[in-house]
Amino acid sequence: DTGVSQNPRHKITKRGQNVTFRCDPISEHNRLYWYRQTLGQGPEFLTYFQNEAQLEKSRLLSDRFSAERPKGSFSTLEIQRTEQGDSAMYLCASSSGTQNTGELFFGEGSRLTVL
Amino acid sequence: GQQVMQIPQYQHVQEGEDFTTYCNSSTTLSNIQWYKQRPGGHPVFLIQLVKSGEVKKQKRLTFQFGEAKKNSSLHITATQTTDVGTYFCAGPFVTGGGNKLTFGTGTQLKVEL
Repeated sequence: DTGVSQNPRHKITKRGQNVTFRCDPISEHNRLYWYRQTLGQGPEFLTYFQNEAQLEKSRLLSDRFSAERPKGSFSTLEIQRTEQGDSAMYLCASSSGTQNTGELFFGEGSRLTVL
Repeated sequence: GQQVMQIPQYQHVQEGEDFTTYCNSSTTLSNIQWYKQRPGGHPVFLIQLVKSGEVKKQKRLTFQFGEAKKNSSLHITATQTTDVGTYFCAGPFVTGGGNKLTFGTGTQLKVEL
């Protein structure tokens, strides 16, 4: 399968612990997005990369969140000192294109539960 | 801030009935996309509309982009149980660094036999 791959699919952690999620986008896609989705809500934008450059980070994102895409391929999203409010599905998506936002291909998501 | 609202939030229909969801943006959009998310699944791209007043059809689904490029609709004719899921519209908002695709609040469709 050459789609967007995310792992782990599920993560249960205790409050205060750090967690890291990985996303492997479709190989030829230069854009990579992280979204967060809670039950009954639409995906909420977190951050966006074009190749290895992080072009935008949501103002809603606290300093506990950091994302990297070191070689312009896979990306990691780290949450430090997790809080119960961080419990959500973390979705990664990738797309190709230059000027306009193209179709996003989403991964299956990483579900985080903070106890 | 940039907002994309959808109505209704929920819709229950009998199989065979029609369904429509409406999407409204706070600002003019260069294009609008629609996604479907099945229960327990991830969003899957359905279509992108670019031109003012554009109408596109995919079998029983009809998508429209408003003349002012601030609203859109998705209409499903004769719903089937396979149509169950949440439908999201999404619009790109150009920011300093690039395009950010903002998703609407979604309309959850349930189809009863």
